[in-house]
Amino acid sequence: AQTVTQSQPEMSVQEAETVTLSCTYDTSESDYYLFWYKQPPSRQMILVIRQEAYKQQNATENRFSVNFQKAAKSFSLKISDSQLGDAAMYFCAYTGTYKYIFGTGTRLKVLA
Amino acid sequence: SQTIHQWPATLVQPVGSPLSLECTVEGTSNPNLYWYRQAAGRGLQLLFYSVGIGQISSEVPQNLSASRPQDRQFILSSKKLLLSDSGFYLCAWSVRDYEQYFGPGTRLTVT
Repeated sequence: AQTVTQSQPEMSVQEAETVTLSCTYDTSESDYYLFWYKQPPSRQMILVIRQEAYKQQNATENRFSVNFQKAAKSFSLKISDSQLGDAAMYFCAYTGTYKYIFGTGTRLKVLA
Repeated sequence: SQTIHQWPATLVQPVGSPLSLECTVEGTSNPNLYWYRQAAGRGLQLLFYSVGIGQISSEVPQNLSASRPQDRQFILSSKKLLLSDSGFYLCAWSVRDYEQYFGPGTRLTVT
């Protein structure tokens, strides 16, 4: 069975600094997708970034980028130039078929 | 563009009462539909998913059920609510293996 692990329950970053959130996963499938979602206090789930497993190039969306290490089954999220609005719960997610597996989340605090 | 609606936004129900949460998607056809529950400060637990009308897969045995009477409508129900059913319920849709898009959620409190 597939699993997604986020080992950092909480992280803090100073405004304008860079922070990296960790995620590891386990699967026997070769073709799959990975995502990072943000959940602010409103609890609306917002897609941050996605990565197709067949692509070696790391995905980037403005200040957000990932470090995808397929062999190590690692998928970390880097947030550059952190802003107060980045404070939220961040969830790593995996899908290979119809089912989506979510990690337990990392709460990110941004310090002014 | 695609939108997803979920209602009600907040619900307070007594133990033993029935439940019906509705989710509808606009702007896409034959989406995969999902129901999740999220306990306070926790991750998402997949409850049900559907890849087509009348096709429901259950992930967690419990007193909840789901139905998909129309292509873009997904309903979460219970005949008798338990205290443990309290939580934040999220509906989501996706097309094939791409990203999921979530509704605004329903906060359910069972008293």
